[in-house]
Amino acid sequence: ETGVTQTPRHLVMGMTNKKSLKCEQHLGHNAMYWYKQSAKKPLELMFVYSLEERVENNSVPSRFSPECPNSSHLFLHLHTLQPEDSALYLCASSLEWDSNQPQHFGDGTRLSIL
Amino acid sequence: KQEVTQIPAALSVPEGENLVLNCSFTDSAIYNLQWFRQDPGKGLTSLLLIQSSQREQTSGRLNASLDKSSGRSTLYIAASQPGDSATYLCAGDSSNTGKLIFGQGTTLQVKP
Repeated sequence: ETGVTQTPRHLVMGMTNKKSLKCEQHLGHNAMYWYKQSAKKPLELMFVYSLEERVENNSVPSRFSPECPNSSHLFLHLHTLQPEDSALYLCASSLEWDSNQPQHFGDGTRLSIL
Repeated sequence: KQEVTQIPAALSVPEGENLVLNCSFTDSAIYNLQWFRQDPGKGLTSLLLIQSSQREQTSGRLNASLDKSSGRSTLYIAASQPGDSATYLCAGDSSNTGKLIFGQGTTLQVKP
């Protein structure tokens, strides 16, 4: 039990579909993150939320839309994705948005775009 | 732009060996550094965090050190076991904001 739960674990969608990824943490953390892990590339930070406010948008295309309704939940809304968006999407949380806090990760959602 | 290199990319050793994984940063200004483990099909598990005021951290058979002057970190694994087989990732924060920059990882296989 990692304390960070992501659903679904696997998702296959067409380029015209709209879907959402969900992340939930039960650690009492105030900061949450979305990362993208593509084959043969390092993990890339996408978004950071601190106390439900977005504090970082790492030049992510608008077809990815994050939402943080409260400090325990984080969503990533997807629409009109491209084949190159196929990847493992990881959610993480930390106590604060602070470099001295360890980040705790979920198991990810494996996304495949047809 | 900060980039992180991990060497070697892959490593295969017999059980019981002591081994060292390396991580280096193009910008030596590192505030903190975190080592993670990733098993196939899984997320990342945090192993060690070297905070801004520290030079090394130890947990069981693992020891991580950070030399800020050279922008290098090493992860030492003592008496390796088959259960240590995984991909090991290092990530550093050079802006003191929690924005981690990751290396591509070292994939370790420990043979029984």
